[in-house]
Amino acid sequence: ETGVTQSPTHLIKTRGQQVTLRCSSQSGHNTVSWYQQALGQGPQFIFQYYREEENGRGNFPPRFSGLQFPNYSSELNVNALELDDSALYLCASSSRIAGDNEQFFGPGTRLTVL
Amino acid sequence: DAKTTQPTSMDCAEGRAANLPCNHSTISGNEYVYWYRQIHSQGPQYIIHGLKNNETNEMASLIITEDRKSSTLILPHATLRDTAVYYCIVRVSNAGNMLTFGGGTRLMVKP
Repeated sequence: ETGVTQSPTHLIKTRGQQVTLRCSSQSGHNTVSWYQQALGQGPQFIFQYYREEENGRGNFPPRFSGLQFPNYSSELNVNALELDDSALYLCASSSRIAGDNEQFFGPGTRLTVL
Repeated sequence: DAKTTQPTSMDCAEGRAANLPCNHSTISGNEYVYWYRQIHSQGPQYIIHGLKNNETNEMASLIITEDRKSSTLILPHATLRDTAVYYCIVRVSNAGNMLTFGGGTRLMVKP
């Protein structure tokens, strides 16, 4: 069984640029959630994807967008990067069949915006 | 989702039990108590969850008070590898619900 993987591991961008982060969900999982974790804080929910559609969103502006593909992998896109977007971005996968009781997190992508 | 309150940090001696408290006085009847932990530079890891009965698995035990307003996560024999931030979360256990993380408790296991 393959766990949740994310790419890239680290990324450095400058203010105003756009970034795409990628996540491959655990085998058999059809739901993907994205979280932002600023340094020293707990993760904050960005949004969740199920059946290729956004299914729930946290308090993040529209410049944070995502996609889910037929194989359940997912992308997080952030446009017009700001300095405060510097954070660890976490992807978590779960199974609707199993009731989302347990979410499996990837190792995260650390984004630095200069 | 109901809010939780946890101590900011705790220490525990290696080999001893670590008891991590969590207050969730506004928990609703259909909300479960979940525990996750995050070891430095890794993603959060699910530990255990429960509704009202005490639960035990290979990682930990979860003790929920009868009024469900508080709970305790017990690591029976803490090791250095258990040093992490532990998050107590309450949520409705059905499909599609996000996890709302607070600040968590930073547990330091010392030799």
